[in-house]
Amino acid sequence: QVQLQESGPGLVRPSETLSLTCTVSGGSISSNGYNWGWIRQPPGKGLEWIGNIYYSEITSYSPSLKSRVTISVDTSKKQFSLRLSSVTAADTAVYYCAEWVGDWFDPWGQGTLVTVSS
Amino acid sequence: SSEVTQPLSMSVALGQPAKITCGGHNIGFKNVHWYQQKPGQAPMLVIYSDSNRPSGIPERFSGSNSGNTATLTINRAQAGDEADYYCQVWDRSAVFFGGGTKLTVL
Repeated sequence: QVQLQESGPGLVRPSETLSLTCTVSGGSISSNGYNWGWIRQPPGKGLEWIGNIYYSEITSYSPSLKSRVTISVDTSKKQFSLRLSSVTAADTAVYYCAEWVGDWFDPWGQGTLVTVSS
Repeated sequence: SSEVTQPLSMSVALGQPAKITCGGHNIGFKNVHWYQQKPGQAPMLVIYSDSNRPSGIPERFSGSNSGNTATLTINRAQAGDEADYYCQVWDRSAVFFGGGTKLTVL
């Protein structure tokens, strides 16, 4: 089965850009039908969808984050990435990557905590 | 709107059934998916498309969806079922999660 692993800085300064990568193993990232997503969870709170990228490289983003989010894929590295610009303390969260199957997420990466602080 | 709502918390006696609801306008016309999240862990899919169990999920977990309410049922609740449960729908090219229900097994 596909396994996913998030990586990136655990600390980001306010107003800077958060950048995370999700590495896919045990499966393909580029064949037709493989789609991917990012979800976040602020400490002690619920899940918030950030966006998806589809095998056609079309993206869809949460309306509340759309102006600051970019999701891209690098098939040669079997990775997809998240960039979130102009971060504030409100962007502090555990960030998860996941495979988008049908219209649900499965499986998920283990998550990575990103703290926004000076 | 595709906002979906869940009770913040609920408790169930050991061995009894737990029913966790997910409400939304005409949610019965949408596919509803359920995730279980234990402390310090990533969410895990337990029900997809209203009532389907992924491989490895016990038969004690089942789901239904009709009208304005989807329901995750956990039969014969065990201590290991204590977790946060989230429902999720896809609508108008966007993903919506419920706020999550904390299930306590007494």
